[in-house]
Amino acid sequence: KQEVTQIPAALSVPEGENLVLNCSFTDSAIYNLQWFRQDPGKGLTSLLLIQSSQREQTSGRLNASLDKSSGRSTLYIAASQPGDSATYLCAVRPGETSGSRLTFGEGTQLTVNP
Amino acid sequence: DTEVTQTPKHLVMGMTNKKSLKCEQHMGHRAMYWYKQKAKKPPELMFVYSYEKLSINESVPSRFSPECPNSSLLNLHLHALQPEDSALYLCASSFREIRHEQYFGPGTRLTVT
Repeated sequence: KQEVTQIPAALSVPEGENLVLNCSFTDSAIYNLQWFRQDPGKGLTSLLLIQSSQREQTSGRLNASLDKSSGRSTLYIAASQPGDSATYLCAVRPGETSGSRLTFGEGTQLTVNP
Repeated sequence: DTEVTQTPKHLVMGMTNKKSLKCEQHMGHRAMYWYKQKAKKPPELMFVYSYEKLSINESVPSRFSPECPNSSLLNLHLHALQPEDSALYLCASSFREIRHEQYFGPGTRLTVT
């Protein structure tokens, strides 16, 4: 059974700092991995989707990497801003045909202080 | 239009009430999903519809009844709920069921009294 772990569970940084969020998964047979952002009481916003054949994806100040063989992904946020404060979730999609079941990590709650 | 909309935003209902949650998308996606999310926990998959047919039911109690009347609309009918069913209910859609990126709506905050 796939398990997804996100470390740290919570992170507080001063504005302007570059930071890395970690996601690890136990079964490397994934099809892709998706990073989401969730503000309190709101829905999930998709940030980046990395296919299993890709090593990284970039969008603005965000860069996500994937090392499928070691079961790891990182989300790098450059020059953090208070508006980046949210919970960040990673989710993996299995490689088998029933590929709609995302397995989520517990999330990292990020606070960026002005 | 790259948006999934959900109504209502908030819902308070008694245990004997019947209510419905609504989800809509106009992105041409043919897969739609219902998730349940408790506080400080990740979303849990409840149902998946693919081409308006129920594809996955994650052993959800029958007091939750999904319906997909057309490719753009997904409903979740609620009846005789329990207080522990209080949660954020999220709808999502994707181009197809398998492998495609899922887009989430803002959710309905449900409180069962």
